[in-house]
Amino acid sequence: QVQLVESGGGVVQPGGSLRLSCAASGFSFRSSGMHWVRQAPGKGLEWVAFIRYDGSNKYHADSAKGRFTISRDNSKNTLYLQMNSLRPEDTAVYYCAKDLYDYDSSGYPFDYWGQGTLVTVSS
Amino acid sequence: QFVLTQPPSASGTPGQRVTISCSGSRPNIGSNTVNWYQQFPGTAPKLLIYSNYQRPSGVPDRFSGSKSGTSASLAISGLQSEDEADYYCAVWDGSLNGVVFGGGTKLTVL
Repeated sequence: QVQLVESGGGVVQPGGSLRLSCAASGFSFRSSGMHWVRQAPGKGLEWVAFIRYDGSNKYHADSAKGRFTISRDNSKNTLYLQMNSLRPEDTAVYYCAKDLYDYDSSGYPFDYWGQGTLVTVSS
Repeated sequence: QFVLTQPPSASGTPGQRVTISCSGSRPNIGSNTVNWYQQFPGTAPKLLIYSNYQRPSGVPDRFSGSKSGTSASLAISGLQSEDEADYYCAVWDGSLNGVVFGGGTKLTVL
């Protein structure tokens, strides 16, 4: 069965860095586009970034541009999110999510989600 | 401040039909297909509807989606107590080059 397991969250001071990981299993990771989505405490969902199945194309939300970088290692079935210059408003549960479609997406629906990892930015 | 506008709350009694709207604009709903997610407190969201009206396997046919112009709707018929959850619409926005979510609608079953 499809499993997505995030790790790497924790408490970090403003201006600090964290790298989140998402270990994937139960599907062909190398043919799946992947996303990061976050949810601040008590708030709605916010898309953060997408990476194409082969890593050739990446998109980041305006709130993440210049600070966050999505990447993947298909040999390790792992998705990453490098987060630098963290701000208190980045405090959220970060989910990795799999695109429904193999290879190139149509509409970017997320059919499987991890359980999330909590990032807290506070001094 | 959300690109997609949803009502913050909706409610209905068991057995009723409830609709949740999602209003956008030409670069998002007007140009791309809409997806809907259901989320229970403390859990990850679940894909409920994709490509405007398609249901993933396992989603009851009580849930249906539609789109017209720059708006979309999620309808839940035969409302059940276990449908009480938060519902989000989402779509690719071609001008932002990213996925945008609505603010979410909290559904209460009275």
